[in-house]
Amino acid sequence: GQNIDQPTEMTATEGAIVQINCTYQTSGFNGLFWYQQHAGEAPTFLSYNVLDGLEEKGRFSSFLSRSKGYSYLLLKELQMKDSASYLCAVKDDKIIFGKGTRLHILP
Amino acid sequence: GAVVSQHPSRVICKSGTSVKIECRSLDFQATTMFWYRQFPKQSLMLMATSNEGSKATYEQGVEKDKFLINHASLTLSTLTVTSAHPEDSSFYICSARDRGLHYGYTFGSGTRLTVV
Repeated sequence: GQNIDQPTEMTATEGAIVQINCTYQTSGFNGLFWYQQHAGEAPTFLSYNVLDGLEEKGRFSSFLSRSKGYSYLLLKELQMKDSASYLCAVKDDKIIFGKGTRLHILP
Repeated sequence: GAVVSQHPSRVICKSGTSVKIECRSLDFQATTMFWYRQFPKQSLMLMATSNEGSKATYEQGVEKDKFLINHASLTLSTLTVTSAHPEDSSFYICSARDRGLHYGYTFGSGTRLTVV
């Protein structure tokens, strides 16, 4: 079966760093996505990892370990606008989403 | 870049009526589109995979007679919610596979359906 786990909620302080973890067990694997979603809006693409290692893009970085079925999204220099849900999703022949992590940023 | 246009963005309908949601790929051809549903504070749940020129593939638990999917062209897929009920009220989002993108997928802006 398909199972993607990530924490339900996290809280961090403006200017700090936060790491959101995701573990997965899926029948197939062709890449892992991270999306950001603000309330009432469609998800927006943040990152895509298909090989092991760290992908850095500005304040956001994403890491993947295929052997461990593990990924994390690292957000640096947190801003209030980063308050959102962060969705981990695995691609096989389709994209399956985890339940999402609601990130609250405190001033 | 790849753009997927989804309409309407919001719709309110009466119980028992049908609602059609359109998903168009504007600058690429999408042989495969995906329909998701999202309830408040929950993640996106895949409902079905829409294949151009053939029948859609529905996920377990999704009623194919209630959620009619048509993918008649390479740029348009439609989802029709038939005989809508209040429990069908949700956020519906489509996505399309664009082979020009290294990761292959782009999402529409979503449709907020409210059944009263």
